Amino acid sequence: GAVVSQHPSRVICKSGTSVKIECRSLDFQATTMFWYRQFPKQSLMLMATSNEGSKATYEQGVEKDKFLINHASLTLSTLTVTSAHPEDSSFYICSARGRGGPPDTQYFGPGTRLTVL
Amino acid sequence: EDQVTQSPEALRLQEGESSSLNCSYTVSGLRGLFWYRQDPGKGPEFLFTLYSAGEEKEKERLKATLTKKESFLHITAPKPEDSATYLCAVQEGGNYGQNFVFGPGTRLSVLP
Repeated sequence: GAVVSQHPSRVICKSGTSVKIECRSLDFQATTMFWYRQFPKQSLMLMATSNEGSKATYEQGVEKDKFLINHASLTLSTLTVTSAHPEDSSFYICSARGRGGPPDTQYFGPGTRLTVL
Repeated sequence: EDQVTQSPEALRLQEGESSSLNCSYTVSGLRGLFWYRQDPGKGPEFLFTLYSAGEEKEKERLKATLTKKESFLHITAPKPEDSATYLCAVQEGGNYGQNFVFGPGTRLSVLP
């Protein structure tokens, strides 16, 4: 149980294009989803938190107009990196928290490697 | 400000050589402490949740313990497949929905 999927697992795009990453909770309802980014050999850095049907809450320093988050249902959240630039290249990981299992536990997706040329 | 530190930064063990990883935290009130395992290029895999001092959880060769200031992840007779980065995260008490604060991780290498 508590499986979270992400798609795509890897994406390469040209500078200036937009990229959408999907995060799905496969066997539970995710009341809250989180988006993180991780640079090589560093820990996870929280970008934003989204609750189903509400606007996302962004961490300080994260541009909400650049990283668009939509949490349209209890099983799906999307992160769109708009007008991506090489400095946006990173490993993006989502997590989901929901009903069932140990309270407050976040279950993570496998991550999406974004490379912007 | 909430802080989470982990030590050592990296640990190299021989297969079968037991050891412990440390996670120290400072929060105004702990709601939960979480251990994850992360393999290179993958998302973190949930291991344990601990809620109160004195609590212990076990899974195969791993055992997590919690005190008021720190948590230990004990690895008994590790195998090469235990090689990974181990992350701890704390959640502050109070309002439901407080975000995790992650530690920097311990990179464990188990040599055959």
